Amino acid sequence: DGGITQSPKYLFRKEGQNVTLSCEQNLNHDAMYWYRQDPGQGLRLIYYSQIVNDFQKGDIAEGYSVSREKKESFPLTVTSAQKNPTAFYLCASSTPLDRWYGYTFGSGTRLTVV
Amino acid sequence: KQEVTQIPAALSVPEGENLVLNCSFTDSAIYNLQWFRQDPGKGLTSLLLIQSSQREQTSGRLNASLDKSSGRSTLYIAASQPGDSATYLCAVTNRDDKIIFGKGTRLHILP
Repeated sequence: DGGITQSPKYLFRKEGQNVTLSCEQNLNHDAMYWYRQDPGQGLRLIYYSQIVNDFQKGDIAEGYSVSREKKESFPLTVTSAQKNPTAFYLCASSTPLDRWYGYTFGSGTRLTVV
Repeated sequence: KQEVTQIPAALSVPEGENLVLNCSFTDSAIYNLQWFRQDPGKGLTSLLLIQSSQREQTSGRLNASLDKSSGRSTLYIAASQPGDSATYLCAVTNRDDKIIFGKGTRLHILP
């Protein structure tokens, strides 16, 4: 079955560490997105990529980095510069708007700073 | 700047009732609108998607409507069941290709 796989499901980070969240899709979607979800704040866009080797900052990109070397993969690195990284992270993908079938989300990664 | 508002923030209804969830957006120049369901600690599951040229979409007991001119969408759930308990989110895609989410409505169906 086609879909988006996020790993790990739970991740613990020590102060000062960088961690990378994985997002892989086999839907042949061109666009991929990373969102952060905090209680009471809804989803906020971190980064998005509409094509391989290209990506743009979202609303809260500071302290995060991404790469898009393959169409199927869009990993997110949470750097030590992100002061409050504890949150639920969601990855999504979609087709271009001219043949749009909506957004598909992964099951999320819960990151906790210890 | 596009803002998406969902009212109410939380709702409890007895099992079997029909209910309506509301979503409003400030900029009517959208490409599409999508309704999602989120269970606690889980990702988002797409329920219905409506292109800007469409007025409504139906899937089983769910019906979503879109009125672009007034900046409103509703999600109608018929004959609610305890399994419908979840958070429901709506999201619009702007002309600049950005997706804006509402904060969701937490729905609790009472057995």
